[in-house]
Amino acid sequence: GQQVMQIPQYQHVQEGEDFTTYCNSSTTLSNIQWYKQRPGGHPVFLIQLVKSGEVKKQKRLTFQFGEAKKNSSLHITATQTTDVGTYFCAGRGSGTYKYIFGTGTRLKVLA
Amino acid sequence: NAGVTQTPKFQVLKTGQSMTLQCAQDMNHEYMSWYRQDPGMGLRLIHYSVGAGITDQGEVPNGYNVSRSTTEDFPLRLLSAAPSQTSVYFCASSSSGGAGNQPQHFGDGTRLSIL
Repeated sequence: GQQVMQIPQYQHVQEGEDFTTYCNSSTTLSNIQWYKQRPGGHPVFLIQLVKSGEVKKQKRLTFQFGEAKKNSSLHITATQTTDVGTYFCAGRGSGTYKYIFGTGTRLKVLA
Repeated sequence: NAGVTQTPKFQVLKTGQSMTLQCAQDMNHEYMSWYRQDPGMGLRLIHYSVGAGITDQGEVPNGYNVSRSTTEDFPLRLLSAAPSQTSVYFCASSSSGGAGNQPQHFGDGTRLSIL
């Protein structure tokens, strides 16, 4: 079945440093979504990518979808303490309504 | 607007007991899903529904039952609780527009411990 791997599992950065998490699917995806989960909270939708090679930006966050629609990345420029949390990707294959989540990357930002 | 409401927030069960986790949404969303979250394993899909009367299995369905008699409600039943089902359970809903390309809205979760 479809599998979604995410690396790294943990990342500690100094405030102001950049951060990137990578998501890789075993199968071609119809679309991919990114979520952020604060400690003790629930996942909150950030963005969705649908097109091959798509790049979207939200302030300091840049999201990319690979040309083959099997991988994606989230890059945060100049991290802030408010960026702390776990970032998940969730991919959906074609012909299905199921989203398979990656294992998540837990980000800690040291002030 | 309440969004997705899950009850209870916390529950402790003994091995072999059964219980139902409740999930209700007031956004008239067609799609609803149940996930479990364990440390280091992300969220794993248990069951999902694309509309009232229609359910299907996810990645880890064993030991769980669901039904969808109304658009608003999607309860998850543990038939005979086992310690391996200790987890945080999240319910999510989304609209059906865009053939599945819609954000999922999550509830606050149910923290379940099985002794």
